[in-house]
Amino acid sequence: DADVTQTPRNRITKTGKRIMLECSQTKGHDRMYWYRQDPGLGLRLIYYSFDVKDINKGEISDGYSVSRQAQAKFSLSLESAIPNQTALYFCATSEPGLAETGSYNEQFFGPGTRLTVL
Amino acid sequence: LAKTTQPISMDSYEGQEVNITCSHNNIATNDYITWYQQFPSQGPRFIIQGYKTKVTNEVASLFIPADRKSSTLSLPRVSLSDTAVYYCLGSRGNRDDKIIFGKGTRLHILP
Repeated sequence: DADVTQTPRNRITKTGKRIMLECSQTKGHDRMYWYRQDPGLGLRLIYYSFDVKDINKGEISDGYSVSRQAQAKFSLSLESAIPNQTALYFCATSEPGLAETGSYNEQFFGPGTRLTVL
Repeated sequence: LAKTTQPISMDSYEGQEVNITCSHNNIATNDYITWYQQFPSQGPRFIIQGYKTKVTNEVASLFIPADRKSSTLSLPRVSLSDTAVYYCLGSRGNRDDKIIFGKGTRLHILP
């Protein structure tokens, strides 16, 4: 089974609808992240959470909200979807790790959710 | 966090060694340089990380000069399956490290 799962994998919705994207992880990591990817723009950070009680805005949080229901679950909501939120959304997890292992704060990504807002 | 600059795209041929350079002039003392690889419609995957000098693993080598203002990812003898986007980013060694990805380098391997 995959360590980081995202549901749904694909979603088509209409302008104004409320949408929730869910992320679950079995890696036992405290840190979780939501990214958005648009063609030619790389990945942009929407929100991140370092533990259940810690939620922080990223580069592009406007129009989005998140909920950290448990260590293993981090959900992203679009309260009123608009067409320019059409994108590929990725969830990721990490632990600080050890510098000596050469993988400090390595992030593990889910398979992505392709969202289309009509 | 260190702002990184890397080429938008590169082409190479199968069997060649590919070097992708990343500039990070404002790198901080406790920043690590990390590279990720992303295939189409997949999430990025960690490749390699270093602080200074040279790091090598089964996938790549990472060269960081003494001034740490740049780094070079080296992929030995690439194949078509190495076609991907490669991201260079700074990862700060503290609790507030949220990690910022840029646009990456789109590497296209030709037969």
